[in-house]
Amino acid sequence: AQSVTQLGSHVSVSEGALVLLRCNYSSSVPPYLFWYVQYPNQGLQLLLKYTSAATLVKGINGFEAEFKKSETSFHLTKPSAHMSDAAEYFCAVTLNTGGFKTIFGAGTRLFVKA
Amino acid sequence: DSGVTQTPKHLITATGQRVTLRCSPRSGDLSVYWYQQSLDQGLQFLIQYYNGEERAKGNILERFSAQQFPDLHSELNLSSLELGDSALYFCASSGGVAGGQGTDTQYFGPGTRLTVL
Repeated sequence: AQSVTQLGSHVSVSEGALVLLRCNYSSSVPPYLFWYVQYPNQGLQLLLKYTSAATLVKGINGFEAEFKKSETSFHLTKPSAHMSDAAEYFCAVTLNTGGFKTIFGAGTRLFVKA
Repeated sequence: DSGVTQTPKHLITATGQRVTLRCSPRSGDLSVYWYQQSLDQGLQFLIQYYNGEERAKGNILERFSAQQFPDLHSELNLSSLELGDSALYFCASSGGVAGGQGTDTQYFGPGTRLTVL
């Protein structure tokens, strides 16, 4: 079965520090991988997506993620955290089932300390 | 603003009742997706419609049904409501030209918060 695992339900970093949010997936076919961000009381917003064009994917707000097939990982990073990055982050995989079914990880809440 | 609108924003109802959630996709988007977000289940994919036809089904209960109308707006109907149905329900849309691609960006609406008392 396809699944997405996000390691760490909560991650806390200091402002200016590296952000690393971990995501591992299981998929029997080449995956469509995504990272979304959800701010309080809002819907999800796409940060970035893996389209197989490049293994290192750059997204909005300075985030990037690297697709590593050998490790079945798609970790999200940002070199320097900002207070405005505090939010919940979801890794997701979309499966082609004739239509498109998206499976989300459990989410990681990022706290940024001043 | 994603361009996806959902109404109502909040809905409070009683167990056993039936409600309808409405979603208007971004202009030109052919695909609509419904998701449920709850504390215990997380984000769950419910169903996808493309140009009026059901295309993919997820963990959608038999008490729930959806449809997409010719003007491409969609409705999610929840019946015989239970306390456990209390959740945030999101709609998303994507372009879906020629059936869509797995890499299509989904644009999420602000959600409808359903509370079942």
